Amino acid sequence: EPEVTQTPSHQVTQMGQEVILRCVPISNHLYFYWYRQILGQKVEFLVSFYNNEISEKSEIFDDQFSVERPDGSNFTLKIRSTKLEDSAMYFCASRTGVFSGNTIYFGEGSWLTVV
Amino acid sequence: KNEVEQSPQNLTAQEGEFITINCSYSVGISALHWLQQHPGGGIVSLFMLSSGKKKHGRLIATINIQEKHSSLHITASHPRDSAVYICAVRWGSYNTDKLIFGTGTRLQVFP
Repeated sequence: EPEVTQTPSHQVTQMGQEVILRCVPISNHLYFYWYRQILGQKVEFLVSFYNNEISEKSEIFDDQFSVERPDGSNFTLKIRSTKLEDSAMYFCASRTGVFSGNTIYFGEGSWLTVV
Repeated sequence: KNEVEQSPQNLTAQEGEFITINCSYSVGISALHWLQQHPGGGIVSLFMLSSGKKKHGRLIATINIQEKHSSLHITASHPRDSAVYICAVRWGSYNTDKLIFGTGTRLQVFP
């Protein structure tokens, strides 16, 4: 079974520090996503990425956030200056195509704790 | 407002019981996903539906597009089915493929 892998599984960082969360999507997938889940809340969409550019982003995804696919395999989420409210589980996801017939695969998540 | 609602929020069952979790949504969709979130936090996709019914092992998912409603059924439930089950939809507009998530149903199955 192919899988999306994420690192780190858990990171604790001081407020104001930069954080990079890494994801390796499934190799033949073309569409990539970051979602987050604050403890006790619903999973929320952050950003979608296709053809080396952002295709959609939510209001949460402000100037502090950025994504890139630097080497054709990794897909990273950077938070430039973390805030306490960025503490959440961050999920990377990928799919082969955007059509409704294509299943989405999620990684195991990266727990980010900002102190 | 585009909403996804699930019921019940919490569900306990004895091993062997038949389980039903419901999901309703407010506007037209192109696909509905049933996902399982296990205690460690990871999310696994169980089903993706745009119409009808799908079955995988002891899991059955149905969707009624006219009623804007989907159900996930677990037959002969087992303690290893204990998890949070989440419904997520992709709206019918073609300029978005993001998923909108429900709040989840926490299922505990006791031996």
